[in-house]
Amino acid sequence: KQEVTQIPAALSVPEGENLVLNCSFTDSAIYNLQWFRQDPGKGLTSLLLIQSSQREQTSGRLNASLDKSSGRSTLYIAASQPGDSATYLCAVRFFSGGYNKLIFGAGTRLAVHP
Amino acid sequence: EADIYQTPRYLVIGTGKKITLECSQTMGHDKMYWYQQDPGMELHLIHYSYGVNSTEKGDLSSESTVSRIRTEHFPLTLESARPSHTSQYLCASSAPGLAGGMTGELFFGEGSRLTVL
Repeated sequence: KQEVTQIPAALSVPEGENLVLNCSFTDSAIYNLQWFRQDPGKGLTSLLLIQSSQREQTSGRLNASLDKSSGRSTLYIAASQPGDSATYLCAVRFFSGGYNKLIFGAGTRLAVHP
Repeated sequence: EADIYQTPRYLVIGTGKKITLECSQTMGHDKMYWYQQDPGMELHLIHYSYGVNSTEKGDLSSESTVSRIRTEHFPLTLESARPSHTSQYLCASSAPGLAGGMTGELFFGEGSRLTVL
């Protein structure tokens, strides 16, 4: 069964820390993996998209890595700020019988306090 | 920045009313989706479309219906709203993927928060 797990479920850190959020998936036959941010009551904002042939993507203070063989992706946030407080979701698009199926993790709820 | 819009953002209605949640995108994406999300909970796919006149039910059973008459427009309708329909509804579209027509990056609207009294 294709599943996506995010650990930890919640994280509270002081401002300025470097953070690592984890996403693991059960099947290495993936098409791509996408990291999102969701603020309370809002939609999802795309942060980074990693194709299956790529190892990492970077955008500003964010860096996402992908290791298909171990079924893992990490989202690294450098020098965290209170404005980074949100829920971070990992979504994996698996190959599934000639189609592709997108599965979301449950998210990591991040709180960065001043 | 994604060009996908949902209206209304918030809606409070009484039981039994018919409602339509609007979703439009200006990116020319063929693939569009509706997700349902309760506060603090996971997203569940309720409908998707791979193009005009194509609609499919998602993983979570829903009493809502959708239509896709134009590429840019993917409205969701509840014929008779009930309190159990209270939730946030998120619309998304996906860009074309790499060679082979697979699916690329997913973009979301701001969501429509529905409360049925």
